[in-house]
Amino acid sequence: DQQVKQNSPSLSVQEGRISILNCDYTNSMFDYFLWYKKYPAEGPTFLISISSIKDKNEDGRFTVFLNKSAKHLSLHIVPSQPGDSAVYFCAASAQGGSEKLVFGKGMKLTVNP
Amino acid sequence: NAGVTQTPKFQVLKTGQSMTLQCAQDMNHEYMSWYRQDPGMGLRLIHYSVGAGITDQGEVPNGYNVSRSTTEDFPLRLLSAAPSQTSVYFCASGDSGYEQYFGPGTRLTVT
Repeated sequence: DQQVKQNSPSLSVQEGRISILNCDYTNSMFDYFLWYKKYPAEGPTFLISISSIKDKNEDGRFTVFLNKSAKHLSLHIVPSQPGDSAVYFCAASAQGGSEKLVFGKGMKLTVNP
Repeated sequence: NAGVTQTPKFQVLKTGQSMTLQCAQDMNHEYMSWYRQDPGMGLRLIHYSVGAGITDQGEVPNGYNVSRSTTEDFPLRLLSAAPSQTSVYFCASGDSGYEQYFGPGTRLTVT
C-alpha cells in the first residue's frame, strides 16, 4: 500500500505561470516532508522541506504548503521557468524513527517557453 | 569535492551472477543509503547506514548485502542477480537521512 501518493504523473505549464505539484500521504506518523527534483540521467537533488510544526516554507521561487488534517502537501513554483522541467518526487519520514524516506512515484513537470 | 560517485554507470549481468556496485563520498557524511528506481515506482530504500560499522535494512533489502567499513565507502552487493533486480540504483549521503546528496546512478540490466 502506497504511503506517499503523487496521483498526477505529469503537468505542463507555460513559462512564467505557477506550477502546483500535489502529494498525499496516508501514514499519520509522518512528520517531515521533502521535495526532490530529478533531471534525466542524473541523481535526485534536494529542493525544499517542511516540518509538521509548520504549514508553509518558502525558498525563493519554491513554496511548500502542508495541510496536516488533509494529509496533503503541495509544491508551488512561481514563476515557472523552462529549467524547472524535471521529475519531482515527494518524500516523507517519521522523525522519531531512523530518518528513512518514503518516496512518491514522481511527477514530470514540463515548462513550455 | 567530487560529491557522491558511483561505479559503474552501466552494467549487464546474467541471472545468477554476482557483482558489487561501488559508492563513495568525500563530504564526510555519516548517513549513506542505497535506493532503486523502477518505472512507476519512485525511489525505494534498499539499505542504509548511519555510520561506519552500522547498517540496516530499508524497504526492499532482499537479494542485496551492504557493509560500511569506512565513512567514505558504501558498496552494494548483489549476491545472485535476478531479472527483478533490473533497475537504476542510486547511492546517497547526507548529514541526515533527510537532505541527501545523490550520485548519478548505475543502470543495471539482468538478463
